[in-house]
Amino acid sequence: GESVGLHLPTLSVQEGDNSIINCAYSNSASDYFIWYKQESGKGPQFIIDIRSNMDKRQGQRVTVLLNKTVKHLSLQIAATQPGDSAVYFCAEFTPNAGNMLTFGGGTRLMVKP
Amino acid sequence: EPEVTQTPSHQVTQMGQEVILRCVPISNHLYFYWYRQILGQKVEFLVSFYNNEISEKSEIFDDQFSVERPDGSNFTLKIRSTKLEDSAMYFCASRARDNTDTQYFGPGTRLTVL
Repeated sequence: GESVGLHLPTLSVQEGDNSIINCAYSNSASDYFIWYKQESGKGPQFIIDIRSNMDKRQGQRVTVLLNKTVKHLSLQIAATQPGDSAVYFCAEFTPNAGNMLTFGGGTRLMVKP
Repeated sequence: EPEVTQTPSHQVTQMGQEVILRCVPISNHLYFYWYRQILGQKVEFLVSFYNNEISEKSEIFDDQFSVERPDGSNFTLKIRSTKLEDSAMYFCASRARDNTDTQYFGPGTRLTVL
């Protein structure tokens, strides 16, 4: 079936470096994508979103890139900080395929001081 | 900043008992959701609710589950007869308008079924 998946289950980076977290999605009909951050024991926290009519969107220290040709989504975090340590999920919304988000499996980001 | 709240934060129950998980969505939101996350696994959709009725539900959401919006602020998930495999984090989410508005999640309720 259609699914959203992540290439790397764990990413370890040095504080101050840039982080890139990747996500592959398989449903070409998906038109809205969200990155969530989940810290231990907490709910998913919205980071940034992007619609399918865009290929890049920037926030504060974060950038999301969307490549519809290869159905790939990435989250770039600039100058990674210890507080960025968490599990990051991408989620996709597919119109007319259920009124819900489909989540990927998650990538754990570990920031070394 | 408005946020989704959930109570209790942790619920422990015996197998076969009924539990009610409570959520207060963001006040001007119209669409409400329940998701669950079994430990170490990804977040899974359970049900969506709009205009006082279920708009979509997953295979997980069987006859043991029900949702209700008893008043203008609360949104509840009831599990009639809990099973061991219902142990998970349950997240409530809400969104405002059209399909591309972000869903905002609550902190979750950890349900432990013994």
